[in-house]
Amino acid sequence: NAGVTQTPKFQVLKTGQSMTLQCAQDMNHEYMSWYRQDPGMGLRLIHYSVGAGITDQGEVPNGYNVSRSTTEDFPLRLLSAAPSQTSVYFCASSYSQGQEDNSPLHFGNGTRLTVT
Amino acid sequence: LAKTTQPISMDSYEGQEVNITCSHNNIATNDYITWYQQFPSQGPRFIIQGYKTKVTNEVASLFIPADRKSSTLSLPRVSLSDTAVYYCLVGDRIPSGSARQLTFGSGTQLTVLP
Repeated sequence: NAGVTQTPKFQVLKTGQSMTLQCAQDMNHEYMSWYRQDPGMGLRLIHYSVGAGITDQGEVPNGYNVSRSTTEDFPLRLLSAAPSQTSVYFCASSYSQGQEDNSPLHFGNGTRLTVT
Repeated sequence: LAKTTQPISMDSYEGQEVNITCSHNNIATNDYITWYQQFPSQGPRFIIQGYKTKVTNEVASLFIPADRKSSTLSLPRVSLSDTAVYYCLVGDRIPSGSARQLTFGSGTQLTVLP
């Protein structure tokens, strides 16, 4: 199994441009999520999905869209990039995230995004 | 949101045992405590998880007192390769209740010195 795969590894955008960060997992995990990591702030949840066709907002959703058309893929779209979105983005998945479930998260290796 | 508090950084020497304590005063009754390790330029990696008392695996031990308001990650005989950021997590219940929102704090930067 490849686990959680994120592409691209690095990306530079100009302010106002749009792009999609890709995330795919081959573990048949129901739960997928996107975090951003900024220096001194740990990881903050952007959006998450508990299954195909279901998405919801996390702590910092503004400026980002997600969709979940298949179990395997969970792309993150930046609609109009801003310098404040310069960050490292991590995708994570787990078997389930229901009320009584505590399955560990499996993380990708991240996408480093710079917006100029 | 349930918050966790950890030391920002710790130094240790090779071969020593390292204990990192995390406080989580608002932990919910059915929340587990989970620890992750993160190396530079990599995503966090699951280390250990527990609910109460003590849990041990091949990598670490996790000690949780009866009141569950804190937990301690214990790394036996650390090596240089254990230098990383360590995160303590507890789950948060979101209003709709459909999923848990896992909140990461700032983590503890452990530096192992030769």
